[in-house]
Amino acid sequence: GQQLNQSPQSMFIQEGEDVSMNCTSSSIFNTWLWYKQDPGEGPVLLIALYKAGELTSNGRLTAQFGITRKDSFLNISASIPSDVGIYFCAGQPTFAGGTSYGKLTFGQGTILTVHP
Amino acid sequence: NAGVTQTPKFQVLKTGQSMTLQCAQDMNHEYMSWYRQDPGMGLRLIHYSVGAGITDQGEVPNGYNVSRSTTEDFPLRLLSAAPSQTSVYFCASSRDKEQFFGPGTRLTVL
Repeated sequence: GQQLNQSPQSMFIQEGEDVSMNCTSSSIFNTWLWYKQDPGEGPVLLIALYKAGELTSNGRLTAQFGITRKDSFLNISASIPSDVGIYFCAGQPTFAGGTSYGKLTFGQGTILTVHP
Repeated sequence: NAGVTQTPKFQVLKTGQSMTLQCAQDMNHEYMSWYRQDPGMGLRLIHYSVGAGITDQGEVPNGYNVSRSTTEDFPLRLLSAAPSQTSVYFCASSRDKEQFFGPGTRLTVL
């Protein structure tokens, strides 16, 4: 099946630093989503990207949909302790003649630790 | 709205036992999905549904059954639990591309 490679696997940063993580795929996706998961909780949607080349911000978060439709990155600026968690990219595949809603392919996750 | 709810939150089974993980949503979403989460592997799709009465397999469907008799409910059944099914299970729903997740069920099979 389709796979997403997410990197880095983990990051240890100081409060105030900027963070960057990315996902790449061998297949084309028509939607990229970025989620954050806190311990013991389900993933929460942060940003959704729908068009190749799209750059979208949500507060201190910025994400881009790669122009090849095979990659995406997420940046977090001026990190704070509550940014700690696992960040996942997810792609919605393209199927000819049918909907792909309800089917997401996830990256392995980036574990973010922020030291005060 | 309660969003996506899952029960139970924790469950311990013995090998060979059966059980049903419950999932419900009150957002009138057409699309519902079940994922499992294992360390270092992200979330993997088990089964999904595009509407009441319609289900299909995802990436890792073996050992799991689903049905969708109503828009609101999408239960996941384990007919004969195996230790390899020890995992955290998440249900999700969506109207279109943006999926919303429940809080998860942590299942241990001994």
